[in-house]
Amino acid sequence: GAGVSQTPSNKVTEKGKYVELRCDPISGHTALYWYRQSLGQGPEFLIYFQGTGAADDSGLPNDRFFAVRPEGSVSTLKIQRTERGDSAVYLCASSDSGTSGNEQFFGPGTRLTVL
Amino acid sequence: AQKITQTQPGMFVQEKEAVTLDCTYDTSDPSYGLFWYKQPSSGEMIFLIYQGSYDQQNATEGRYSLNFQKARKSANLVISASQLGDSAMYFCAMREDTITDKLIFGTGTRLQVFP
Repeated sequence: GAGVSQTPSNKVTEKGKYVELRCDPISGHTALYWYRQSLGQGPEFLIYFQGTGAADDSGLPNDRFFAVRPEGSVSTLKIQRTERGDSAVYLCASSDSGTSGNEQFFGPGTRLTVL
Repeated sequence: AQKITQTQPGMFVQEKEAVTLDCTYDTSDPSYGLFWYKQPSSGEMIFLIYQGSYDQQNATEGRYSLNFQKARKSANLVISASQLGDSAMYFCAMREDTITDKLIFGTGTRLQVFP
């Protein structure tokens, strides 16, 4: 079946602008995660959803970042007043809590560049 | 303190040889999971193997095995019979089960397989 998809694959924006990044998880996966990966680093957790609700948003760096998952499937990560330091690859993952390992399956990422 | 430590920024291995990538972790959670992911130059994170803290046997998946030493808090990845396509970044990650489902990643090891 289809894996996790993310759109756009690349986004270039100017400092101060608003951006939305979309994630479409594997069908049937109840958990959805957002991570951010800066160059040369491992992914850093931002937020995760169990169904429609945010189960843990402790990784969101500040109130410019917000994410929603209104119907328990597709999720949108929203960044207001973007800053150059927001430039990174934003990764989305989903998991099926029914498996023993509950491993997370990642999408290809959205590369965000803030000029 | 770092939760996940990968001390090898880069490793070289000859094709068909075995290689061990090191990972140590730090947690006080009695229930946790350890994961390894591969990230080729294309950027997608590929799940390789999972080890639960209560698993008695070391996990194996094809050419991948996890050398789990609980008392030493290490979870090294062993790749047998290396192939050129194994050249990639490898990330170790941990999930602390009683706290949250988020993954905490290390900084990664770049593996290069040469003919």
